[in-house]
Amino acid sequence: AQSVAQPEDQVNVAEGNPLTVKCTYSVSGNPYLFWYVQYPNRGLQFLLKYITGDNLVKGSYGFEAEFNKSQTSFHLKKPSALVSDSALYFCAVRDKDGATNKLIFGTGTLLAVQP
Amino acid sequence: EAQVTQNPRYLITVTGKKLTVTCSQNMNHEYMSWYRQDPGLGLRQIYYSMNVEVTDKGDVPEGYKVSRKEKRNFPLILESPSPNQTSLYFCASSLNPSGGTITQYFGPGTRLLVL
Repeated sequence: AQSVAQPEDQVNVAEGNPLTVKCTYSVSGNPYLFWYVQYPNRGLQFLLKYITGDNLVKGSYGFEAEFNKSQTSFHLKKPSALVSDSALYFCAVRDKDGATNKLIFGTGTLLAVQP
Repeated sequence: EAQVTQNPRYLITVTGKKLTVTCSQNMNHEYMSWYRQDPGLGLRQIYYSMNVEVTDKGDVPEGYKVSRKEKRNFPLILESPSPNQTSLYFCASSLNPSGGTITQYFGPGTRLLVL
């Protein structure tokens, strides 16, 4: 079965420092991977996705993610964190049956950026 | 503005009292879906709909019903709510996914408390 794992419940980083939020996946076939962000009292917002092509994917708000097939990882990164980046981040993989478009989500990682 | 809307945003109810959470999108999307979010579990799909009058169960459909009479609306119905349905609910929509991996767009969420 398709799955994703986010090994860290929380990541703390100082403003201005680089940040990484980790995600590993387990899929059969080619993975279709997504990152979403949830700000307090807001819905989920799409950040970026990897379907095929360049392993480095650029997304919204200065975020990027690196697809690493050998390590089955899709870590979210940003060169310089902002306090406003503090939110709950979800990694997701599309289910094997693509026709359903179901997303399988990780458990989420809370990012806290200190001023 | 392209968006997915949900109502109500917050709801407190009692066990057994039927309720409906509405979801509407203005993007002419064929695909719509409901997820619930619980701590430590991420988001799990409840039901989805590929188009008008076409619905199917997701991973956790027990205790829920849906209908898709119009393309823009996809209400979630709890005929007899129970405390274990206390959760944060998200509606999502996308274009028809059968042609490839399509990004889903999420509503702001509905926080439900069943006493």
